[in-house]
Amino acid sequence: AQKVTQAQTEISVVEKEDVTLDCVYETRDTTYYLFWYKQPPSGELVFLIRRNSFDEQNEISGRYSWNFQKSTSSFNFTITASQVVDSAVYFCALSGNTGFQKLVFGTGTRLLVSP
Amino acid sequence: DAGITQSPRHKVTETGTPVTLRCHQTENHRYMYWYRQDPGHGLRLIHYSYGVKDTDKGEVSDGYSVSRSKTEDFLLTLESATSSQTSVYFCAISEMDREYGYTFGSGTRLTVV
Repeated sequence: AQKVTQAQTEISVVEKEDVTLDCVYETRDTTYYLFWYKQPPSGELVFLIRRNSFDEQNEISGRYSWNFQKSTSSFNFTITASQVVDSAVYFCALSGNTGFQKLVFGTGTRLLVSP
Repeated sequence: DAGITQSPRHKVTETGTPVTLRCHQTENHRYMYWYRQDPGHGLRLIHYSYGVKDTDKGEVSDGYSVSRSKTEDFLLTLESATSSQTSVYFCAISEMDREYGYTFGSGTRLTVV
């Protein structure tokens, strides 16, 4: 069975601090995809990144970066110089790659960035 | 241009009444899903569809049924609403192509009183 664990329920930081959101996953598939989604207070789910299991390169997009490590089954998300607009719930999710595969979500991490 | 829309956006209903939520897509994607979001649980899969009239259960399917008579529409029915079904419901679509990913609707907030 596939499982995603986000052990951090809520994180509070002050603006301009760096913050890392942890994601640990379990799967028996050799090919799989990992995702991060952002859910701002307005409620919609915003896609941030998709990473397949064969690509372990870290990715940077502006203030966002992702560290994928198969050895520890982790796909952590770092926000550099956080801003108030980063306040949201962030979900890590996992899916397989053969035929139909559902997206399995972690329980989410609520990030509060105060001015 | 939203490729996926949910209706209604908000609904309050009474215990014991049937409720139907609609998901409509314009992307011609094969796969459609219904999730519910509850505090402490993240999003959990209720039902999914892999084609017209092809549906199956997810992890929290009790009390729900679905139908897909057209590629673009996926309906979720609460046969007899209960207070435990108060939740936010998200529809999603996906396709197994090189742009593989999941697109979510804006959600339906359902309150059962």
